[in-house]
Amino acid sequence: EVQLLESGGGLVQPGGSLRLSCAASGFTFSNNGMNWVRQAPGKGLEWVSGISSGLGDTLYADSVKGRFTISRDNSKNTLYLQMNSLRAEDTAVYYCARRTAYYDMDVWGQGTTVTVSS
Amino acid sequence: QTVVTQEPSFSVSPGGTVTLTCGLTSGSVSTRYHTSWYQQTPGQAPRTVIYNTNTRSSGIPDRFSGSILGNKAALTITGAQSDDESDYYCVLYMGSGIWVFGGGTTLTVL
Repeated sequence: EVQLLESGGGLVQPGGSLRLSCAASGFTFSNNGMNWVRQAPGKGLEWVSGISSGLGDTLYADSVKGRFTISRDNSKNTLYLQMNSLRAEDTAVYYCARRTAYYDMDVWGQGTTVTVSS
Repeated sequence: QTVVTQEPSFSVSPGGTVTLTCGLTSGSVSTRYHTSWYQQTPGQAPRTVIYNTNTRSSGIPDRFSGSILGNKAALTITGAQSDDESDYYCVLYMGSGIWVFGGGTTLTVL
């Protein structure tokens, strides 16, 4: 079964850091680009960051550029999101999602909750 | 800054037809944006309904269809059922590895 499982969320103070992980199984992880998407409480979906399958090219939404870093370890079938200088507005459920050749995100994890508060 | 627009809410009667749209504040949506539509119920992850503008995802009933209508992408539900009551999000691929989501439409079936 194709599956993504996020972990690493929690409560952090403003200015703090967290690293999210997304463990992939059931498919050849190295073959797919991956995205992080977040959803603030009661709000819509927001694309946060993406990483390609080959060279590992990375891109970020303007809202997180310079603070978040996406990476992947294909030997561990795991995607990461390092989040630094966290702000209250980063509070959200963070989903990892698999990208397809049709620019779709066809497999999603169950999400991990990040709360930034003092 | 690119803003993707969706109707905040829509209501449809059971058995009725509804068309949700996905536009741009500047410019027209075309097939080059590879529009996807996601359905999300509370507490659940999104799931793909339509991808690449008009392709139904596996397991999605054929009452769901995607298209370009005028200058927007559209999701049409023909013969709406109570199970279709959800939030629907479109997302446009802007190129160069960047996606932009619309604000979502809450669909009520009653």
